[in-house]
Amino acid sequence: KQEVTQIPAALSVPEGENLVLNCSFTDSAIYNLQWFRQDPGKGLTSLLLIQSSQREQTSGRLNASLDKSSGRSTLYIAASQPGDSATYLCAVRDDYKLSFGAGTTVTVRA
Amino acid sequence: DVKVTQSSRYLVKRTGEKVFLECVQDMDHENMFWYRQDPGLGLRLIYFSYDVKMKEKGDIPEGYSVSREKKERFSLILESASTNQTSMYLCASEGDEQFFGPGTRLTVL
Repeated sequence: KQEVTQIPAALSVPEGENLVLNCSFTDSAIYNLQWFRQDPGKGLTSLLLIQSSQREQTSGRLNASLDKSSGRSTLYIAASQPGDSATYLCAVRDDYKLSFGAGTTVTVRA
Repeated sequence: DVKVTQSSRYLVKRTGEKVFLECVQDMDHENMFWYRQDPGLGLRLIYFSYDVKMKEKGDIPEGYSVSREKKERFSLILESASTNQTSMYLCASEGDEQFFGPGTRLTVL
């Protein structure tokens, strides 16, 4: 059974600092990995999708890496802004379903 | 822009009522999913569907059923709502990646 862990559970940084969010998974037989953002009381917004054959994906200030063999992904957010405050979830897709981590709640202080 | 819509943002029902939650996607995706999200338990898969008329149980199907009569629409049914079904319900549609709807916050009194 796939287990997805996100560390840390919560993070508070001053505006402008770079964010590093970690995700680990136990079974490397995955199709892809997705990073999501969730604002309080809202649905999930897809940020980045990394296919199992890829090492990283970038979108604007966001960069996500994937090391499938070691079961790790890292989401980097450059030059954080107060609007980046949210919960960030990673999820891995196998041949059955998406398995989610519990999320990292980020607070960016102005 | 891809779009997944859910019929209600907030819903309040009584114990024993039959509840319908509807999800519609406009991306012509074959795969659709229903999750519930609870504090401390994260997202849990209730049911999913890989095609019209097709459904598969997820990790927590007890107390729920689903209907997929058309490709774009996937409905979650609570046959007899109970208080432990108070939760945030999220629908997703999948192509290469999963896209989520805004969620329905269901309260069962």
